[in-house]
Amino acid sequence: QVQVVESGGGVVQPGRSLRLSCAASGFTFSDYGMHWVRQAPGKGLEWVAVIWYDGSKKYYADSVRGRFSISRDNSKNTVYLQINTLRAEDTAVYYCASQRIEESDYWGQGTLVIVSS
Amino acid sequence: EIVLTQSPATLSLSPGERATLSCRASQSVSGYLAWYQQKPGQTPRLLIYDASNRATGIPARFGGSGSGTDFTLTISSLEPEDFAVYYCQQRSNWPWTFGQGTKVEVK
Repeated sequence: QVQVVESGGGVVQPGRSLRLSCAASGFTFSDYGMHWVRQAPGKGLEWVAVIWYDGSKKYYADSVRGRFSISRDNSKNTVYLQINTLRAEDTAVYYCASQRIEESDYWGQGTLVIVSS
Repeated sequence: EIVLTQSPATLSLSPGERATLSCRASQSVSGYLAWYQQKPGQTPRLLIYDASNRATGIPARFGGSGSGTDFTLTISSLEPEDFAVYYCQQRSNWPWTFGQGTKVEVK
């Protein structure tokens, strides 16, 4: 049974930093890339970042490059998203999702980040 | 980045009708296009990958077609549980991008 569980969201003041975590189980985590996708309230999906299975490559959306950093710890089956200099427009549910595994991919339930003073 | 434009924004149909959703890319994505379904308060669910391959557990009434810049998601006969928002996603070039979504609502 594959499980993906995000954590670390909350209410944060503009300009502060936050680190989101995503713990995965039920598959060989170190074999697969992992993504972050976000969804602002009432809006569509926005792909945010990806990290290769071994951490060797990382790509980011244009809107977050330079402020967001994705990383992983394969010994803990966990991927992270470091968000710096938070802005109001970063308010969203942040989802963690696996690379396609055979004929599916796996998403967590998301963690809500609210940027507000 | 590649921009995906979905049309129409909203599709009003009745159960049993056929739904045809379009996704157009600003440049060729070859066959690297996926479709997702999202219901209110739920996580997106992968329906189609590589333009035409159904994901695990997806009913045969969902079909994907297209290549290059023009793609279509077809739902052959709408079931009550199919009323939702549908997103296309290109997986050809980094950064990956999503379309803005098509809402399929009950007429």
